Amino acid sequence: GAVVSQHPSRVICKSGTSVKIECRSLDFQATTMFWYRQFPKQSLMLMATSNEGSKATYEQGVEKDKFLINHASLTLSTLTVTSAHPEDSSFYICSARDRGHSPLHFGNGTRLTVT
Amino acid sequence: EDKVVQSPLSLVVHEGDTVTLNCSYEVTNFRSLLWYKQEKKAPTFLFMLTSSGIEKKSGRLSSILDKKELFSILNITATQTGDSAVYLCAISGSARQLTFGSGTQLTVLP
Repeated sequence: GAVVSQHPSRVICKSGTSVKIECRSLDFQATTMFWYRQFPKQSLMLMATSNEGSKATYEQGVEKDKFLINHASLTLSTLTVTSAHPEDSSFYICSARDRGHSPLHFGNGTRLTVT
Repeated sequence: EDKVVQSPLSLVVHEGDTVTLNCSYEVTNFRSLLWYKQEKKAPTFLFMLTSSGIEKKSGRLSSILDKKELFSILNITATQTGDSAVYLCAISGSARQLTFGSGTQLTVLP
């Protein structure tokens, strides 16, 4: 089945630094990938839709200059949290589907802790 | 705006019990409803439902969709401790992304 790989699984960084999270579709090509954020005991909230070869589409309230998304190839999307602050600490999950009507498959997520 | 409401928010049962999890939704241009199981990491896919009244089954889990009443249920029979997880319901509408409910936290006690 479709596999989505996300890296790193856990990262701790200092306030003010930037962190890059990678999301790869391992056995299929994904023109569109989705980035979600999940706070403890809450559901997944869509942050942005990553489109291969074009700009990402951000959900209302998500700062595009803070959460930089690059979808440079059909198998790789990256999310960079710039100038991270402690309130950015969260669980970030990417997802993709391998066909138009297939279910989304998720990466294993990245636990970001900003100290 | 698409909306998903799940109930109950949490549920504690004993092994062997049967549970029913509920999901109601509002959506523009329904495409599909999906159920996911989330343990400590990312959600794993359980079911995708697109048609009313057709039960999908996988082992002890089953799910059905009612597009007229805009809800779905997820049943788990003969629960086991390994079923303990958050169960997420999500709706896919006119946009390709999913809108998730808040989830039901299921705890199965031995």
